Amino acid sequence: KNQVEQSPQSLIILEGKNCTLQCNYTVSPFSNLRWYKQDTGRGPVSLTIMTFSENTKSNGRYTATLDADTKQSSLHITASQLSDSASYICVVSAPTSGTYKYIFGTGTRLKVLA
Amino acid sequence: AAGVIQSPRHLIKEKRETATLKCYPIPRHDTVYWYQQGPGQDPQFLISFYEKMQSDKGSIPDRFSAQQFSDYHSELNMSSLELGDSALYFCASSHRTETYEQYFGPGTRLTVT
Repeated sequence: KNQVEQSPQSLIILEGKNCTLQCNYTVSPFSNLRWYKQDTGRGPVSLTIMTFSENTKSNGRYTATLDADTKQSSLHITASQLSDSASYICVVSAPTSGTYKYIFGTGTRLKVLA
Repeated sequence: AAGVIQSPRHLIKEKRETATLKCYPIPRHDTVYWYQQGPGQDPQFLISFYEKMQSDKGSIPDRFSAQQFSDYHSELNMSSLELGDSALYFCASSHRTETYEQYFGPGTRLTVT
C-alpha cells in the first residue's frame, strides 16, 4: 500500500471551474508536504511546500491545505485554465540517514477542457 | 540561477547494451536523487546520495548502479538494458540545511530498442 495516496486518479473539468485534489498519507515521521505539477515529459515543478505547523499555502490560483492530525492535504485550483492540464503529485518528505527521502503520491491527472 | 543539468537529454540504446546518465547538481547542493518515470506513470525513486555516500535506496534494479563524485555530480550506470528500461530519468538535488526543496533536472529520455 502506497504511503501517499491521491484522489481522484483522474479528473476532467471545464475551463474556468474550480477543483480540489486530495492527498492522504501515512508517512511518519513527517517533515513536509509538497504539491508538484508535472506536464507530460517534463520534470515536476513545485507549487507549494508546507511544514508540519502550516495549515494553508497559496501560490496564485493554487491553494494547498494541510491537516497534520488527520494526515490529509488538498490542492484547490481556482478558475482553471487550459494550461492547468497536467499531473499533480503530492510528495511527503521524511528524514532518513542524515538527509530526506521523498515519497511520491499516486498522482491526479487533470484535464481542463475549453 | 543555475539549475540541475542532466546529460544526455536523449539516448537510444539497444537491448543488452549499457548506458550512463550524468547529473550535475545545483552548486552548493550536496544531495542527489535519481528517479525513473515510465510512460504514463509517476516518477519512481531509484536511489539517492548524500556527501558521496548512498543515503537511500528505492526501486533500483540490480543491473543499475550509481555513484556521486567529489564534485557532487552523479552518474547512473545501467547495464543489460531491457525494453522496459525505456523511460524518462530525472535527477534532483538539494542541500540538507535548507528547506529540503528538491530541484529537478530536465530529465534524460532513454529509449531501448
